[in-house]
Amino acid sequence: DAGVIQSPRHEVTEMGQEVTLRCKPISGHDYLFWYRQTMMRGLELLIYFNNNVPIDDSGMPEDRFSAKMPNASFSTLKIQPSEPRDSAVYFCASRLSGGSYEQYFGPGTRLTVT
Amino acid sequence: GQQVMQIPQYQHVQEGEDFTTYCNSSTTLSNIQWYKQRPGGHPVFLIQLVKSGEVKKQKRLTFQFGEAKKNSSLHITATQTTDVGTYFCAVKPPYGGSQGNLIFGKGTKLSVKP
Repeated sequence: DAGVIQSPRHEVTEMGQEVTLRCKPISGHDYLFWYRQTMMRGLELLIYFNNNVPIDDSGMPEDRFSAKMPNASFSTLKIQPSEPRDSAVYFCASRLSGGSYEQYFGPGTRLTVT
Repeated sequence: GQQVMQIPQYQHVQEGEDFTTYCNSSTTLSNIQWYKQRPGGHPVFLIQLVKSGEVKKQKRLTFQFGEAKKNSSLHITATQTTDVGTYFCAVKPPYGGSQGNLIFGKGTKLSVKP
């Protein structure tokens, strides 16, 4: 199994630009999570989906952030416009319903906004 | 909302010394998971504890779930440089909240001096 795949692995952009992060969950997993990790705030849940439907987006910082899951094998997290305070590592994770709630994390995207 | 407190935030040990991190909740937990994140890496699932007073071992790692299911600990015997990383506990949200996700503690960052 390839595991959770994220792209790009690194992104450097200028303030005001649009940023799109991509995630492919593990095949067959029906939950998908987007997290943001910074030194100051730790690991924060931004949004999660179940069967492609957003269930809880209360962690999305503001309207500049949006996430979609058009099908079971792909999700995007978009930031428009980006700001320097958005600099962080963004993780995507997936899991299978039922069972232990164990989450499988992707390698993350390190975003730097200058 | 549900929170889990992890202590200590940082721990520096000499190689060969023992290490313990604690996770505490004000409410009774249904279960608790532990994850490890290596520097520059992503969180990786280690174990799940479900039963009151449960103790599980993985080589030099010992995981405990408190009798009241409000706290848990991870103990590493005779640390090695390969143990370096951040250890997170994670719990399911309380009933009435969004049920599909996990709530992560802030983590304990372990450094090991050779």
